[in-house]
Amino acid sequence: EPEVTQTPSHQVTQMGQEVILRCVPISNHLYFYWYRQILGQKVEFLVSFYNNEISEKSEIFDDQFSVERPDGSNFTLKIRSTKLEDSAMYFCASSQDSGYTFGSGTRLTVV
Amino acid sequence: RKEVEQDPGPFNVPEGATVAFNCTYSNSASQSFFWYRQDCRKEPKLLMSVYSSGNEDGRFTAQLNRASQYISLLIRDSKLSDSATYLCVVLMDSSYKLIFGSGTRLLVRP
Repeated sequence: EPEVTQTPSHQVTQMGQEVILRCVPISNHLYFYWYRQILGQKVEFLVSFYNNEISEKSEIFDDQFSVERPDGSNFTLKIRSTKLEDSAMYFCASSQDSGYTFGSGTRLTVV
Repeated sequence: RKEVEQDPGPFNVPEGATVAFNCTYSNSASQSFFWYRQDCRKEPKLLMSVYSSGNEDGRFTAQLNRASQYISLLIRDSKLSDSATYLCVVLMDSSYKLIFGSGTRLLVRP
């Protein structure tokens, strides 16, 4: 069964550092997303991406965040200057015809 | 008002019990509805879609009441492996983003 792959599975970074979270969506999917889940809280939408541009972003997705599809397979989330409150699970997802698939997530810990 | 609201639980039930979860949503324009299951520190996984006519998948039955903006999930004959958090999820068709409830935790005991 096709899957969404995320790397790394766990990243620890110092406050103020830049991090890049990587995702390989399912190859024939056209819509890509990032969600995050702070420990003990609900899953929250960050951003959706279609046709090589952001189609929607939440108020969480401020200037510190950016997304990119640098080649035909990868989809990345960059956080420019991490804060303690950025510590969370970050899930990548892709979809086609409203069928969503989530990756297994990257646990980001900011210290 | 929260966009998707669920009772957080936990629901603590014995094996073999029947348990029901409820969910309400606030956006009447929402078109697609789902129940997801999430195990601790794992990704959400689709359990089933929810239709107005109601749908069943083995021991799981989901119902949607559009007039009341209410979604339910019934689990019959609970198994230990059903222990997880059940997430009520709404798809915004205009943007394809998913809106998650906070989840209802289920603990099935031997």
